[in-house]
Amino acid sequence: GAVVSQHPSRVICKSGTSVKIECRSLDFQATTMFWYRQFPKQSLMLMATSNEGSKATYEQGVEKDKFLINHASLTLSTLTVTSAHPEDSSFYICSARDPGTGNEKLFFGSGTQLSVL
Amino acid sequence: AQSVTQLGSHVSVSEGALVLLRCNYSSSVPPYLFWYVQYPNQGLQLLLKYTSAATLVKGINGFEAEFKKSETSFHLTKPSAHMSDAAEYFCAVSRRGGKLIFGQGTELSVKP
Repeated sequence: GAVVSQHPSRVICKSGTSVKIECRSLDFQATTMFWYRQFPKQSLMLMATSNEGSKATYEQGVEKDKFLINHASLTLSTLTVTSAHPEDSSFYICSARDPGTGNEKLFFGSGTQLSVL
Repeated sequence: AQSVTQLGSHVSVSEGALVLLRCNYSSSVPPYLFWYVQYPNQGLQLLLKYTSAATLVKGINGFEAEFKKSETSFHLTKPSAHMSDAAEYFCAVSRRGGKLIFGQGTELSVKP
Protein backbone atom coordinates (compact mmCIF):
# COMPACT_ATOMS: atom_id res chain seq x y z
CA GLY A 1 0.00 0.00 0.00
CA ALA A 2 0.88 3.63 -0.17
CA VAL A 3 3.49 4.80 2.29
CA VAL A 4 4.29 8.20 3.69
CA SER A 5 7.70 8.67 5.24
CA GLN A 6 8.28 11.37 7.83
CA HIS A 7 11.71 12.39 9.06
CA PRO A 8 13.08 12.84 11.64
CA SER A 9 11.05 10.82 14.10
CA ARG A 10 12.43 12.73 17.04
CA VAL A 11 14.34 15.99 17.34
CA ILE A 12 15.62 17.98 20.27
CA CYS A 13 16.73 21.54 19.69
CA LYS A 14 17.65 24.67 21.55
CA SER A 15 15.28 27.56 21.87
CA GLY A 16 15.68 30.02 19.00
CA THR A 17 16.84 27.50 16.43
CA SER A 18 14.88 26.29 13.41
CA VAL A 19 13.85 22.72 12.74
CA LYS A 20 12.86 21.19 9.44
CA ILE A 21 10.56 18.18 9.19
CA GLU A 22 10.20 16.26 5.93
CA CYS A 23 7.22 14.36 4.65
CA ARG A 24 7.62 12.15 1.60
CA SER A 25 5.14 10.10 -0.35
CA LEU A 26 7.07 7.02 -1.41
CA ASP A 27 4.98 5.41 -4.10
CA PHE A 28 2.51 8.01 -5.25
CA GLN A 29 2.49 11.65 -6.20
CA ALA A 30 0.81 13.78 -3.60
CA THR A 31 -0.45 17.08 -4.87
CA THR A 32 -1.79 17.79 -1.41
CA MET A 33 -0.30 17.10 1.99
CA PHE A 34 -1.55 18.05 5.42
CA TRP A 35 0.30 18.96 8.57
CA TYR A 36 -1.14 18.23 11.99
CA ARG A 37 -0.03 19.00 15.49
CA GLN A 38 -0.78 16.87 18.50
CA PHE A 39 -0.21 17.75 22.13
CA PRO A 40 0.13 14.96 24.69
CA LYS A 41 -3.11 13.13 25.34
CA GLN A 42 -4.93 15.37 22.90
CA SER A 43 -6.34 15.15 19.42
CA LEU A 44 -4.72 16.12 16.17
CA MET A 45 -5.22 19.68 15.06
CA LEU A 46 -4.89 20.56 11.41
CA MET A 47 -2.27 23.25 10.95
CA ALA A 48 -2.10 23.71 7.22
CA THR A 49 -2.69 22.26 3.81
CA SER A 50 0.37 22.02 1.62
CA ASN A 51 -0.24 22.32 -2.10
CA GLU A 52 2.43 21.40 -4.62
CA GLY A 53 3.68 24.42 -6.49
CA SER A 54 1.64 26.96 -4.56
CA LYS A 55 1.37 28.56 -1.17
CA ALA A 56 0.17 26.56 1.77
CA THR A 57 -3.23 27.23 3.26
CA TYR A 58 -3.08 27.75 7.01
CA GLU A 59 -5.82 27.11 9.52
CA GLN A 60 -7.03 29.96 11.66
CA GLY A 61 -4.67 30.75 14.48
CA VAL A 62 -1.60 29.14 12.93
CA GLU A 63 1.29 31.54 12.39
CA LYS A 64 2.44 31.41 8.79
CA ASP A 65 5.82 32.95 9.54
CA LYS A 66 6.36 30.54 12.39
CA PHE A 67 5.54 27.37 10.55
CA LEU A 68 6.93 27.55 7.05
CA ILE A 69 5.66 24.98 4.61
CA ASN A 70 7.25 24.17 1.28
CA HIS A 71 5.85 21.68 -1.20
CA ALA A 72 8.37 21.93 -3.98
CA SER A 73 7.76 18.55 -5.55
CA LEU A 74 4.97 16.03 -5.88
CA THR A 75 6.57 13.74 -3.33
CA LEU A 76 7.97 16.10 -0.71
CA SER A 77 6.56 18.64 1.69
CA THR A 78 8.58 20.24 4.46
CA LEU A 79 7.52 21.99 7.63
CA THR A 80 10.06 24.33 9.19
CA VAL A 81 9.48 25.50 12.73
CA THR A 82 11.34 28.80 12.84
CA SER A 83 12.85 30.25 15.99
CA ALA A 84 11.47 27.39 18.01
CA HIS A 85 10.41 27.91 21.60
CA PRO A 86 9.46 25.42 24.30
CA GLU A 87 5.77 25.95 23.61
CA ASP A 88 6.36 24.60 20.10
CA SER A 89 7.25 21.24 21.60
CA SER A 90 4.70 18.84 20.23
CA PHE A 91 4.13 15.83 18.03
CA TYR A 92 3.84 16.80 14.37
CA ILE A 93 2.23 14.47 11.86
CA CYS A 94 1.91 14.80 8.11
CA SER A 95 -0.52 13.10 5.82
CA ALA A 96 -0.72 12.84 2.09
CA ARG A 97 -3.61 12.28 -0.23
CA ASP A 98 -3.20 9.79 -3.01
CA PRO A 99 -5.15 11.40 -5.86
CA GLY A 100 -5.69 8.06 -7.45
CA THR A 101 -7.84 6.87 -4.58
CA GLY A 102 -10.18 9.75 -4.06
CA ASN A 103 -10.47 12.41 -1.41
CA GLU A 104 -11.08 9.95 1.36
CA LYS A 105 -7.79 8.10 1.06
CA LEU A 106 -5.16 9.65 3.28
CA PHE A 107 -1.90 8.16 4.42
CA PHE A 108 -0.12 9.33 7.54
CA GLY A 109 3.52 9.64 8.37
CA SER A 110 4.83 8.18 11.60
CA GLY A 111 5.14 11.59 13.23
CA THR A 112 7.93 13.78 14.59
CA GLN A 113 8.33 14.44 18.29
CA LEU A 114 9.82 17.93 18.67
CA SER A 115 11.29 18.92 22.00
CA VAL A 116 12.54 22.49 22.38
CA LEU A 117 14.80 23.11 25.33
CA ALA B 1 -19.34 23.10 10.06
CA GLN B 2 -18.36 19.50 10.54
CA SER B 3 -17.25 18.02 13.83
CA VAL B 4 -17.01 14.78 15.72
CA THR B 5 -17.39 14.06 19.40
CA GLN B 6 -15.99 10.99 21.06
CA LEU B 7 -17.73 10.03 24.27
CA GLY B 8 -15.28 8.91 26.90
CA SER B 9 -11.62 9.83 26.87
CA HIS B 10 -10.72 6.49 28.36
CA VAL B 11 -12.30 3.05 28.05
CA SER B 12 -11.09 -0.04 29.87
CA VAL B 13 -12.16 -3.57 29.00
CA SER B 14 -11.04 -7.05 29.87
CA GLU B 15 -9.34 -9.23 27.33
CA GLY B 16 -12.02 -11.08 25.37
CA ALA B 17 -14.73 -8.56 26.19
CA LEU B 18 -16.66 -6.40 23.77
CA VAL B 19 -15.06 -3.13 22.73
CA LEU B 20 -17.37 -0.17 22.11
CA LEU B 21 -15.95 3.25 21.34
CA ARG B 22 -18.50 5.97 20.73
CA CYS B 23 -18.42 8.68 18.11
CA ASN B 24 -21.10 11.19 17.13
CA TYR B 25 -20.74 13.51 14.20
CA SER B 26 -22.16 16.78 13.03
CA SER B 27 -22.28 17.52 9.35
CA SER B 28 -24.48 19.52 7.03
CA VAL B 29 -23.65 17.26 4.13
CA PRO B 30 -23.35 13.47 3.88
CA PRO B 31 -20.13 12.80 5.71
CA TYR B 32 -17.13 10.63 5.12
CA LEU B 33 -16.26 9.13 8.49
CA PHE B 34 -13.14 7.37 9.68
CA TRP B 35 -11.67 5.55 12.61
CA TYR B 36 -7.92 5.66 13.15
CA VAL B 37 -5.70 3.96 15.70
CA GLN B 38 -2.53 5.47 17.11
CA TYR B 39 0.10 3.60 19.06
CA PRO B 40 2.47 5.57 21.34
CA ASN B 41 4.75 7.98 19.48
CA GLN B 42 3.52 6.79 16.12
CA GLY B 43 1.39 8.11 13.31
CA LEU B 44 -2.14 7.05 12.57
CA GLN B 45 -3.32 3.87 10.96
CA LEU B 46 -6.68 3.71 9.24
CA LEU B 47 -9.00 1.12 10.77
CA LEU B 48 -12.00 1.70 8.56
CA LYS B 49 -13.96 4.34 6.71
CA TYR B 50 -17.53 5.10 5.74
CA THR B 51 -18.08 6.69 2.34
CA SER B 52 -21.85 6.40 1.87
CA ALA B 53 -21.84 2.81 0.71
CA ALA B 54 -22.81 0.09 3.19
CA THR B 55 -23.76 1.42 6.62
CA LEU B 56 -21.94 -1.41 8.38
CA VAL B 57 -18.26 -1.06 7.68
CA LYS B 58 -15.73 -3.74 8.41
CA GLY B 59 -12.14 -2.78 9.02
CA ILE B 60 -8.83 -4.28 9.95
CA ASN B 61 -8.03 -6.23 13.11
CA GLY B 62 -11.63 -7.33 13.58
CA PHE B 63 -13.07 -3.86 14.08
CA GLU B 64 -16.28 -2.65 12.54
CA ALA B 65 -18.46 0.42 12.75
CA GLU B 66 -22.04 1.18 11.90
CA PHE B 67 -23.17 4.46 10.40
CA LYS B 68 -26.52 5.50 11.87
CA LYS B 69 -27.83 8.66 10.29
CA SER B 70 -30.82 8.90 12.64
CA GLU B 71 -28.47 8.95 15.61
CA THR B 72 -25.62 10.79 13.86
CA SER B 73 -23.35 8.10 15.22
CA PHE B 74 -20.46 6.01 13.97
CA HIS B 75 -19.52 3.81 16.92
CA LEU B 76 -16.57 1.44 16.69
CA THR B 77 -16.90 -2.12 17.96
CA LYS B 78 -14.92 -5.31 18.24
CA PRO B 79 -16.49 -8.48 19.64
CA SER B 80 -13.45 -9.65 21.58
CA ALA B 81 -10.68 -7.38 22.81
CA HIS B 82 -7.06 -8.39 22.52
CA MET B 83 -4.16 -7.02 24.50
CA SER B 84 -2.68 -5.62 21.29
CA ASP B 85 -5.78 -3.44 20.83
CA ALA B 86 -4.63 -1.12 23.61
CA ALA B 87 -4.04 2.23 21.90
CA GLU B 88 -5.55 5.62 21.22
CA TYR B 89 -8.49 5.68 18.83
CA PHE B 90 -9.64 8.68 16.86
CA CYS B 91 -12.87 9.23 15.02
CA ALA B 92 -12.68 11.72 12.17
CA VAL B 93 -14.86 13.40 9.58
CA SER B 94 -13.62 14.56 6.24
CA ARG B 95 -13.98 18.13 5.10
CA ARG B 96 -13.94 19.11 1.46
CA GLY B 97 -10.51 18.72 -0.02
CA GLY B 98 -9.49 15.80 2.12
CA LYS B 99 -8.96 17.64 5.41
CA LEU B 100 -9.77 15.56 8.45
CA ILE B 101 -11.37 16.87 11.60
CA PHE B 102 -10.55 14.60 14.50
CA GLY B 103 -12.39 13.83 17.68
CA GLN B 104 -10.73 14.15 21.02
CA GLY B 105 -9.57 10.57 21.04
CA THR B 106 -10.36 7.60 23.28
CA GLU B 107 -7.66 5.66 25.02
CA LEU B 108 -8.47 1.97 25.12
CA SER B 109 -6.93 -0.14 27.87
CA VAL B 110 -7.21 -3.93 27.83
CA LYS B 111 -6.86 -5.79 31.09
CA PRO B 112 -5.62 -9.38 31.14
